[in-house]
Amino acid sequence: QKEVEQNSGPLSVPEGAIASLNCTYSDRVSQSFFWYRQYSGKSPELIMSIYSNGDKEDGRFTAQLNKASQYVSLLIRDSQPSDSATYLCAVRPNRGSTLGRLYFGRGTQLTVWP
Amino acid sequence: EAGVAQSPRYKIIEKRQSVAFWCNPISGHATLYWYQQILGQGPKLLIQFQNNGVVDDSQLPKDRFSAERLKGVDSTLKIQPAKLEDSAVYLCASSPEAGINEQYFGPGTRLTVT
Repeated sequence: QKEVEQNSGPLSVPEGAIASLNCTYSDRVSQSFFWYRQYSGKSPELIMSIYSNGDKEDGRFTAQLNKASQYVSLLIRDSQPSDSATYLCAVRPNRGSTLGRLYFGRGTQLTVWP
Repeated sequence: EAGVAQSPRYKIIEKRQSVAFWCNPISGHATLYWYQQILGQGPKLLIQFQNNGVVDDSQLPKDRFSAERLKGVDSTLKIQPAKLEDSAVYLCASSPEAGINEQYFGPGTRLTVT
């Protein structure tokens, strides 16, 4: 069973702070990792993907992956009220097949207050 | 580039009735996914198509759910008969190829079963 666990929210940070979102996964063969942002009543929007150990930066977002420890995190620097949303961690095993199933966590609700 | 299109956006039906959802993926995307997202949870894959063939339907409740993608482009998901626990948002996603690329979601269909 492939489980994806995210730190329970809600997470509340002041504007301008760093928001840290964490995710752990149980399937060691997982190779692809994604962070989606979901505003209330909207569909998930892909914001970051990461495939190898280390950090990947895109603007104010940094994804960090540690396969040995089986965790992936998302840092949001200079948080803005518009970042207030639920952040979904998704993991995809890569077994060399055509299967593309994503396993999602429950999401962490982030609130950035002015 | 147009995104994933879905219709209807909202649907309210009574239990034991039937309902159908439609999805048109991003042009050129070979892989199409249907996810179910229950309130407060992450999306869960129901079925995955590669062109017009089913790749993964292991999580699809086949006694009541069916899906097709006859020409390898748009797709229809049907529920018959609906149960109260089917109340959820049904999300369609697409990717150029399975197992490699990121998935992009449509706006979803919010189903309420009364």
